[in-house]
Amino acid sequence: DSGVTQTPKHLITATGQRVTLRCSPRSGDLSVYWYQQSLDQGLQFLIQYYNGEERAKGNILERFSAQQFPDLHSELNLSSLELGDSALYFCASQGPNTEAFFGQGTRLTVV
Amino acid sequence: AQSVAQPEDQVNVAEGNPLTVKCTYSVSGNPYLFWYVQYPNRGLQFLLKYITGDNLVKGSYGFEAEFNKSQTSFHLKKPSALVSDSALYFCAVRGPVNNNDMRFGAGTRLTVKP
Repeated sequence: DSGVTQTPKHLITATGQRVTLRCSPRSGDLSVYWYQQSLDQGLQFLIQYYNGEERAKGNILERFSAQQFPDLHSELNLSSLELGDSALYFCASQGPNTEAFFGQGTRLTVV
Repeated sequence: AQSVAQPEDQVNVAEGNPLTVKCTYSVSGNPYLFWYVQYPNRGLQFLLKYITGDNLVKGSYGFEAEFNKSQTSFHLKKPSALVSDSALYFCAVRGPVNNNDMRFGAGTRLTVKP
């Protein structure tokens, strides 16, 4: 158990809809990363937050947004969903002198 | 900004043979380097890391990695591959200056054949 919790584990939704993925980092970790992985492909870095502030942005679509709350949990919002958004979405958290720890991911299926 | 490259999308080896998964990095200053493994339908699991000290780092499941500063490389190795080592492997780097920013490579799929 990495200590990073992602909910839900699975999500099936229709095109055009909006979903919210949630991530609870390890206790004390200030950094949260979001990644997208499609069909056993590599990790696409989406966005990073550090202590509530956006730290870095990767290949994140305008239809996607994220935030990190004062209790350090983070949410990734995906809107106007398309079939191509079907993927595994991973959250990772990191402390100041540690490696990143990954959650088990949320598998999103858009039908 | 820091970055890593994994030049091989796919590595195939026979069981019992040594394996190498390559990684090169780019970072300002001394790097912190990591290897992760991902089994099907699972999250990434930490294998090993290099922060400082001995260039040869030993990690989980018999894996090791060698830090080479002159070649800016951190290749993952195992003396004798197992079929169960078949998975997706990711290299990652973090810089000391902005040490909260990790960046991952695209991943290398390792297939070990019996």
